[in-house]
Amino acid sequence: KNQVEQSPQSLIILEGKNCTLQCNYTVSPFSNLRWYKQDTGRGPVSLTIMTFSENTKSNGRYTATLDADTKQSSLHITASQLSDSASYICVVKTNTGFQKLVFGTGTRLLVSP
Amino acid sequence: DAGVTQSPTHLIKTRGQQVTLRCSPKSGHDTVSWYQQALGQGPQFIFQYYEEEERQRGNFPDRFSGHQFPNYSSELNVNALLLGDSALYLCASSRPAGSGGDTQYFGPGTRLTVL
Repeated sequence: KNQVEQSPQSLIILEGKNCTLQCNYTVSPFSNLRWYKQDTGRGPVSLTIMTFSENTKSNGRYTATLDADTKQSSLHITASQLSDSASYICVVKTNTGFQKLVFGTGTRLLVSP
Repeated sequence: DAGVTQSPTHLIKTRGQQVTLRCSPKSGHDTVSWYQQALGQGPQFIFQYYEEEERQRGNFPDRFSGHQFPNYSSELNVNALLLGDSALYLCASSRPAGSGGDTQYFGPGTRLTVL
């Protein structure tokens, strides 16, 4: 069964600190992996997208890594800001089945002043 | 470019009623997907529309139906509402196949509450 698991479920950090969110997946065949940021009550916004051959991708203070061998990805946030408080969702795309996008349940990040 | 828009923003219905949610895709996009996101959960795929036809469908009952119009906008209809249908309903649009890039752009969602 295609699944995406994220950890931790929730996280509280102080403003200015760094943090790393984890994503493990069992989706096969693998097409690509995206990290989305979702503010409360809003739609997800894409942060990064990585294909099988890409190990790392950055978008400002966000850096995503991908290890296709171990089927793991991480999202590192540097120098956190209050506006980083949101849910971060890992989404893996496959090319088979009715649901091409398999969503994780997200990590809820709260950046505290 | 207005991006993906959805209406209404919030909606309150009672059990047994019917509801229609609307979505306008991002300019240049022809494919619309609908998702249901329960509180604290990731989005669950309902169905996808392309060329005014339902192309794919997730594990949702027939109470959930949809439509796509010639201008690529879409509606999601839910009949005989249940309490468990309370959720954030997300619409996502994407570019035509083969045009390069298949990122789905999400709308802000419609928060449906069933009492």
